[in-house]
Amino acid sequence: DAGVIQSPRHEVTEMGQEVTLRCKPISGHNSLFWYRQTMMRGLELLIYFNNNVPIDDSGMPEDRFSAKMPNASFSTLKIQPSEPRDSAVYFCASSFGQSTGELFFGEGSRLTVL
Amino acid sequence: AQSVTQLGSHVSVSEGALVLLRCNYSSSVPPYLFWYVQYPNQGLQLLLKYTSAATLVKGINGFEAEFKKSETSFHLTKPSAHMSDAAEYFCAVSEDSYQKVTFGIGTKLQVIP
Repeated sequence: DAGVIQSPRHEVTEMGQEVTLRCKPISGHNSLFWYRQTMMRGLELLIYFNNNVPIDDSGMPEDRFSAKMPNASFSTLKIQPSEPRDSAVYFCASSFGQSTGELFFGEGSRLTVL
Repeated sequence: AQSVTQLGSHVSVSEGALVLLRCNYSSSVPPYLFWYVQYPNQGLQLLLKYTSAATLVKGINGFEAEFKKSETSFHLTKPSAHMSDAAEYFCAVSEDSYQKVTFGIGTKLQVIP
């Protein structure tokens, strides 16, 4: 079975440009999470959805970040405008029902903002 | 609020030696606790999880962890390190039904031949 699929795997962009990261969760999973990983701050939870509804977006750093989940099989994380400090690896993860926190991670999208 | 503290951002062990990675948690309710492993350029994958069924939890690749409520600890061990164990290990905690999972800062394990 396919795991969590993220795209693009690598993105290099210039400061001020819009960046859109995409995620396809595992079919049948009803929770989706966006994490950001940096050397300095480790893994930070940005936002998570349950049944396509955003539950907690308190980790979103600022208004430049937005996330959507229009249906059960697709989510986007958008940064507009991007800044060099947004450079990080962004992970999407999904889980199913009462699976007590077992998250299935994608391979990540490595973002570099010049 | 839930949190975990991992002691030691880098740990080095010799091949064949005991692996011990430390994790302490903070939670206002009985928590679910996890260890995840991340290999270079990959996402995280679950090693093992504690969900109150048994205090000693066995995971994949010979790893195990013991939940000690009195010490608020959930340390990860493996009797004999293998070169393939070199990776970054994350302790994590969850305490709500939406499975919001909070990760520790991670411990990079180096295995020396």
